[in-house]
Amino acid sequence: DVKVTQSSRYLVKRTGEKVFLECVQDMDHENMFWYRQDPGLGLRLIYFSYDVKMKEKGDIPEGYSVSREKKERFSLILESASTNQTSMYLCASSLLTSGRIYEQYFGPGTRLTVT
Amino acid sequence: AQTVTQSQPEMSVQEAETVTLSCTYDTSESDYYLFWYKQPPSRQMILVIRQEAYKQQNATENRFSVNFQKAAKSFSLKISDSQLGDAAMYFCAYWNAWSKTSGSRLTFGEGTQLTVNP
Repeated sequence: DVKVTQSSRYLVKRTGEKVFLECVQDMDHENMFWYRQDPGLGLRLIYFSYDVKMKEKGDIPEGYSVSREKKERFSLILESASTNQTSMYLCASSLLTSGRIYEQYFGPGTRLTVT
Repeated sequence: AQTVTQSQPEMSVQEAETVTLSCTYDTSESDYYLFWYKQPPSRQMILVIRQEAYKQQNATENRFSVNFQKAAKSFSLKISDSQLGDAAMYFCAYWNAWSKTSGSRLTFGEGTQLTVNP
């Protein structure tokens, strides 16, 4: 059974804190993604990675960074959390595309509140 | 840039009836894929159905089917014989098969919250 796990379901942090969101997949997928989900805005891509140590900016990378040191793990980092980063964060993974589409598998999400 | 629009923030349907969720998209590409994802209250997003743009035949998966109108750039989801377990947020998504810059990126719509009434 495919599985994408995220380190926390709920997280409360203070403004200015450094926040780490961890995502692990056990499907040997090359691609991994971090999305942010907000009401009325759908899912917006923050960063994605297509290989270890490789990363590409998505649509809203400002205020975020990522790390991929191992194939199965993709971390999202909020260097200095702000209240406008309060949101649901979803991680996903998929096989690498070579002209074909492979399904993205999603984690359960982390509800982050920054106070 | 590609955009995906779901104009119905909320929909409701009676159990056992049929409901259609709307999605429109904008692209200049001819080769792409479209998807409907479901996010139940437990929040794990799962793929419901997908459609390749080069295929004229509408995709079906059991009670779920799509109406793909390529010229109109419309991609609606029909749920037949609705069940309580169908209650969820539904997202329409677009993927461009040949974009060098977007790779495997999906572009999502805003979502439609579906309520199923017993």
